Amino acid sequence: NAGVTQTPKFQVLKTGQSMTLQCAQDMNHEYMSWYRQDPGMGLRLIHYSVGAGITDQGEVPNGYNVSRSTTEDFPLRLLSAAPSQTSVYFCASKGQGVSEKLFFGSGTQLSVL
Amino acid sequence: EDKVVQSPLSLVVHEGDTVTLNCSYEVTNFRSLLWYKQEKKAPTFLFMLTSSGIEKKSGRLSSILDKKELSSILNITATQTGDSAIYLCAVETSINEKLTFGTGTRLTIIP
Repeated sequence: NAGVTQTPKFQVLKTGQSMTLQCAQDMNHEYMSWYRQDPGMGLRLIHYSVGAGITDQGEVPNGYNVSRSTTEDFPLRLLSAAPSQTSVYFCASKGQGVSEKLFFGSGTQLSVL
Repeated sequence: EDKVVQSPLSLVVHEGDTVTLNCSYEVTNFRSLLWYKQEKKAPTFLFMLTSSGIEKKSGRLSSILDKKELSSILNITATQTGDSAIYLCAVETSINEKLTFGTGTRLTIIP
């Protein structure tokens, strides 16, 4: 039982490049989400999904795309990277119900030059 | 728009002191409030508070939810250097299960 697996752990991009951050969970969680964390800003929600085929925007969705074709996977795509997207990205998932807590991946440190 | 505010943003105390961290929220259809501790990388879960469970305690840490005041506090007694971390508060809504985090409180314990 690996929990939430994020790859890569580190990535350096040039402005304008595209890439996909991968997130997979093996807990059969319906809810998955992506957050970015910048110094002094806490965790800000980018996109989230309450099940396969369903996605919605969070607080800071611009510049990011997501899709949810399976319950297990929730990739985050940067279409044209910008220096403002330099951040630490966390994927998180949880089961349905009132007493379900959020499980986090180990994070991806992304630098855009 | 859902809003979670934590205070103070930063706190420095000596080992052995007691600290109180605050979290206030404005959300539609409140479901639960969660506290997380973040040391080096990913946040780790501390407590979940709901309408049916407004007070939680684990060792030196305890938390209370005040639904009337739309707020919560996290208390840490007899602090240790290992308590140094960022403490995050998050609120979940029942409409879409979305969790909104506050900016966090950075706690530093001086030996």
